[in-house]
Amino acid sequence: QKEVEQNSGPLSVPEGAIASLNCTYSDRVSQSFFWYRQYSGKSPELIMSIYSNGDKEDGRFTAQLNKASQYVSLLIRDSQPSDSATYLCAVKGGTASKLTFGTGTRLQVTL
Amino acid sequence: GAVVSQHPSWVICKSGTSVKIECRSLDFQATTMFWYRQFPKQSLMLMATSNEGSKATYEQGVEKDKFLINHASLTLSTLTVTSAHPEDSSFYICSARDSEGLSSPLHFGNGTRLTVT
Repeated sequence: QKEVEQNSGPLSVPEGAIASLNCTYSDRVSQSFFWYRQYSGKSPELIMSIYSNGDKEDGRFTAQLNKASQYVSLLIRDSQPSDSATYLCAVKGGTASKLTFGTGTRLQVTL
Repeated sequence: GAVVSQHPSWVICKSGTSVKIECRSLDFQATTMFWYRQFPKQSLMLMATSNEGSKATYEQGVEKDKFLINHASLTLSTLTVTSAHPEDSSFYICSARDSEGLSSPLHFGNGTRLTVT
């Protein structure tokens, strides 16, 4: 079982719709969770971080964390074509300092 | 704040030569930096953790004698790909945190695209 799992996609949503990206992780002691956006040929950029169960909102983005289900998600409201990218879920363990990345979900926002 | 600068952004080299990639934290000190590699359409794979003033910690399957890491100061880590071969062609990305808290995110450099001919 992979440590961090994501559906590779592509996930296609029309402009203005809500995009829902999901991620599951295997290490129960994981404490910190991050969503990165990566455009083709570029390095990842941080979108959201979340550490506590529940929702965290930042503009059009909402991160959701459920530690009991070992599940973290990212919602993008009012999706724009510029949101088309690969979204990487990253998890940081209890004592380890390194981040473990999922394989990423490719999002396509269509006109 | 929290800017990580990586140089060069791309490099083409001949098989058998060595290539050095620099990673600098511009506005913060980083006792730890991380080196990732990403092949096309794949996720980031951690290669090694670079520790200032001590030896790097390499992930399983990464040859430490091939990928030399030096972290001589709190703002600079270098990765040298020695005797490069075409299969080493990849996107190499360094990252660092601006604090040591569990919740601190990684900040990434812009990456170096290495092509070995």
